[in-house]
Amino acid sequence: EDQVTQSPEALRLQEGESSSLNCSYTVSGLRGLFWYRQDPGKGPEFLFTLYSAGEEKEKERLKATLTKKESFLHITAPKPEDSATYLCAVQAGYQAGTALIFGKGTTLSVSS
Amino acid sequence: DGGITQSPKYLFRKEGQNVTLSCEQNLNHDAMYWYRQDPGQGLRLIYYSQIVNDFQKGDIAEGYSVSREKKESFPLTVTSAQKNPTAFYLCASTHLGGDQPQHFGDGTRLSIL
Repeated sequence: EDQVTQSPEALRLQEGESSSLNCSYTVSGLRGLFWYRQDPGKGPEFLFTLYSAGEEKEKERLKATLTKKESFLHITAPKPEDSATYLCAVQAGYQAGTALIFGKGTTLSVSS
Repeated sequence: DGGITQSPKYLFRKEGQNVTLSCEQNLNHDAMYWYRQDPGQGLRLIYYSQIVNDFQKGDIAEGYSVSREKKESFPLTVTSAQKNPTAFYLCASTHLGGDQPQHFGDGTRLSIL
């Protein structure tokens, strides 16, 4: 069964304290792994797509990496505005357009 | 601006009532999706559609129905058969091919009166 597990469930950081969020997955035929940011009462906002092991993507203070079993979202010197829930999702199978399988998310709180 | 519009933002349902959630996109995307989000759980797929007049059930389709009469519209009806409808409903869309990311609307929060 295709599955995505995110850890930790919640993470509290001080401003400037770098850390990483983990997304481990078991799927049959990974087409892509996606990271989203979700603010309270809003829809998920797309951050990154990773397609193959070894791939890395960066955007401001965020860097996403991918191995054959897991992905990390590294947050460098976070600011309070980085506080949100970060969702990881995978698209699996052999057909384009299949739905995403989501993890439960990691809620990040950054205090000044 | 291109995007996905969900309406209403908040919706209240009475016992035995069917309600319809709207989802419209002007991104010319082929595929559209409905997810349900409950506290402490990941997004779960209700229905999706890759082409007009065709759609497939997701993991939790019971008590829901959809239609796809136009490429830009994918309304979701929550029927009286759905006994626990209180949740945050999210609509998404994407281009087919190239494994493009799904883009989301800002959701509809449905509650029971």
